[in-house]
This record gives sequence, C-alpha cells and structure tokens, in this order.
Amino acid sequence: AQSVAQPEDQVNVAEGNPLTVKCTYSVSGNPYLFWYVQYPNRGLQFLLKYITGDNLVKGSYGFEAEFNKSQTSFHLKKPSALVSDSALYFCAVRDGRGSTLGRLYFGRGTQLTVWP
Amino acid sequence: DVKVTQSSRYLVKRTGEKVFLECVQDMDHENMFWYRQDPGLGLRLIYFSYDVKMKEKGDIPEGYSVSREKKERFSLILESASTNQTSMYLCASSLHRDPVRVTGELFFGEGSRLTVL
Repeated sequence: AQSVAQPEDQVNVAEGNPLTVKCTYSVSGNPYLFWYVQYPNRGLQFLLKYITGDNLVKGSYGFEAEFNKSQTSFHLKKPSALVSDSALYFCAVRDGRGSTLGRLYFGRGTQLTVWP
Repeated sequence: DVKVTQSSRYLVKRTGEKVFLECVQDMDHENMFWYRQDPGLGLRLIYFSYDVKMKEKGDIPEGYSVSREKKERFSLILESASTNQTSMYLCASSLHRDPVRVTGELFFGEGSRLTVL
C-alpha cells in the first residue's frame, strides 16, 4: 500500500524564520516524492520532486526538501519564510516501479501561515 | 508550459441536476485525473484515465462517471447531483508512456468549485 502522512494540519512561523513542513511516506518500491503548493481558490502548483540522486532537492520559490530513506521522510524546508509563502502544501508519492500507472498519493495538506 | 483548463471555475446547481465538468490539456499527456478536495480530507481521487476510452476507478467513484472520447479531454459527470457533492473539483494530467522512466508529476487545472443546493 502507498500512503503519505503530513502530521501537522497547520504550521505557523514568523517572517524571516526558517520553516519546515513535515511529510512521511509508505511505498512498496523506490519512492518518487513531490511537493505541491495551493494558493486560495487555485489549483495545485508543482514545487519540487525527488526521484534519485542527491538527498537534498531544490525547487521553486527558494524551497528545498530533504529525502531521508531510513526515516521514510521528505520534509519541505525554506531558510527564510515570506508572508507570501502562506498557502496549503501537499506532499505526494508514487511507486517508482510504475505499477500504479502514474497515480500519485497525496497527504491531507498542511496550512502554512507566515506572520509579518 | 503545460496547460490544463477547466471550463467552469464556479457552478451552482440544484439537487438532482446532471452536471458536466470539462477538462482539457494541451500537452499530449496520456494520464488524466479527477480529484475532489474538501477541508480536512485533502485530495481524493475519483477517477483516472490512462488512454482514450479507458478509465479506472479511484477511491471515491460513487455518484460519478467519466468520459474520455479524445486524448485531450476528460469529463466528469454527476448524473444526479446531491448536496454532499458540493466541493472543489480538480483535474490533472501527467505524461505516461513509460511509467518507470517518466517521473509523473501532475499538472493541475485551476479547479471548479461546485455548489449543489
């Protein structure tokens, strides 16, 4: 079975401080991992992905994520948060073997609020 | 850039009406998906399609059907809308061909917010 857990419904951080949004996953084969962001009344936008290689991946808007195989985690990070980063963030996973015909499994989302 | 277009951003329908939600993508993607998004529940997959005229049930297909007559278009149909189908509906597409080689990130439309009265 494939699944994603985002243990925090909400994360609050002051502008300028580092932020972390947590994600853990369960997948049968090697994971392909993704982060998406959703602004109010909009669709989801792709932020970054981990497929293979360097455990630290960099994405859009200064975000990065660290893949940790032993902890089955893929936490999203940013060194210095901006008020404009306030949004809903989704982690997603798929089985790298391709057995799911491209389907991604999403977490429930984490609402990030950055206070000025 | 990939563009996924959902024809209606906001709809208001009455209980029992038939509702069509249309989605078109312009990047020759094989895979197309319909999700619904509800607060606290995240994204739940309704149906997906990996080829023309092919469809697979997702996690919550009850009360919905889909149609994929052309590669670029994937329609979600509510045969008889009910109030518990009030939600945000998101269409997405991804490249398929070789599911092992391609990374499969999804490209989403802007969403269709449906209210059933």
